[in-house]
Amino acid sequence: GAGVSQSPRYKVAKRGQDVALRCDPISGHVSLFWYQQALGQGPEFLTYFQNEAQLDKSGLPSDRFFAERPEGSVSTLKIQRTQQEDSAVYLCASSYDWHNGYTFGSGTRLTVV
Amino acid sequence: EDQVTQSPEALRLQEGESSSLNCSYTVSGLRGLFWYRQDPGKGPEFLFTLYSAGEEKEKERLKATLTKKESFLHITAPKPEDSATYLCAVPKGNSSASKIIFGSGTRLSIRP
Repeated sequence: GAGVSQSPRYKVAKRGQDVALRCDPISGHVSLFWYQQALGQGPEFLTYFQNEAQLDKSGLPSDRFFAERPEGSVSTLKIQRTQQEDSAVYLCASSYDWHNGYTFGSGTRLTVV
Repeated sequence: EDQVTQSPEALRLQEGESSSLNCSYTVSGLRGLFWYRQDPGKGPEFLFTLYSAGEEKEKERLKATLTKKESFLHITAPKPEDSATYLCAVPKGNSSASKIIFGSGTRLSIRP
């Protein structure tokens, strides 16, 4: 596709509910990243894939967060038993070559009530 | 610990009033420094990559420069459409596609 596509754009979840956020990267981009952005802050790294391999998950805040990219293209970020502190914008980015920067999607705004 | 700090947090300028945004970094073995622009409700949009002290890159009214400790984003004669949050970031790690760590950004507002 022409850009990185994320869905849904907005998600309201009740506390304790499980959510799944989807990312469709640019075709051919080997690397895929998930970031969390709180209001007024810069994006914070969550996890990174190279093809289907999850090479770094050091930024995942707890074991309630899980990400996968089973076929090396589409990725899903899953949050189990959501808490209010999970409310944020979740950004996905893909890259072929980091020298030319990452291409970000528009994000999913998650609100936990 | 690797860190990226941006200042000021917010900057309001009159249209045509030039200024600079600052990004200071503490990173061992800097491999590059990125500038991104982020509009409300959108993801960050890549602007520049700088690799070594003394390097400069330009795009329209924006010019990015790099020293050994900081980077500046100079904006010359800005227009209202330049209003956005500007983010600075550095790659962390040694692999060819490392994660990047961001500063908290400078919110730039240009009044007509």
